[in-house]
Amino acid sequence: GAGVSQSPRYKVAKRGQDVALRCDPISGHVSLFWYQQALGQGPEFLTYFQNEAQLDKSGLPSDRFFAERPEGSVSTLKIQRTQQEDSAVYLCASNEGSGRAYTGELFFGEGSRLTVL
Amino acid sequence: QKEVEQNSGPLSVPEGAIASLNCTYSDRGSQSFFWYRQYSGKSPELIMSIYSNGDKEDGRFTAQLNKASQYVSLLIRDSQPSDSATYLCAVFNDYKLSFGAGTTVTVRA
Repeated sequence: GAGVSQSPRYKVAKRGQDVALRCDPISGHVSLFWYQQALGQGPEFLTYFQNEAQLDKSGLPSDRFFAERPEGSVSTLKIQRTQQEDSAVYLCASNEGSGRAYTGELFFGEGSRLTVL
Repeated sequence: QKEVEQNSGPLSVPEGAIASLNCTYSDRGSQSFFWYRQYSGKSPELIMSIYSNGDKEDGRFTAQLNKASQYVSLLIRDSQPSDSATYLCAVFNDYKLSFGAGTTVTVRA
């Protein structure tokens, strides 16, 4: 596809359920990011992949959050035992560059809005 | 202290006026600076990037960067109702983009 694709767009989960959010970046993009955006706030960094390698997961709020990108393209963010505070929009973004070739311009998907009841 | 701070909104301006948005950042080693626009319920879209001190103009938008003061600003000239959105300041370090909380701008017709 032409842009970053995320699914599902909307997810309602009962507290304690596990959820999986998918991101399909722009073809050939090396760098992939996950951000969490709470209502009225800016996006907060969660994790960064360069190809299949997860180089930074310092923003993941707890060990209930797990992300992977096994083949260096599609990525999945998994949240186990969801809590109400996990309710947010989860944004995926990608960029073709890495290292010195990467200047910070990110292309965002439409996001997955998670509501935990 | 958050890495990126933006002036609190909301900011309401009449159509045709100039909207002025400010942003400060804490890390002197920051390399690149961006302004993203986010309409309600949509994802952020890049509208301006600036890498060196001074002004950069693109249409009705002007970004200003002062690395000594760790300050970035965005001016929107001749504001239009379609400019009503939240504007996010973003700062790039190494590989990571850090965002401010955003300033919501409303342009009154």
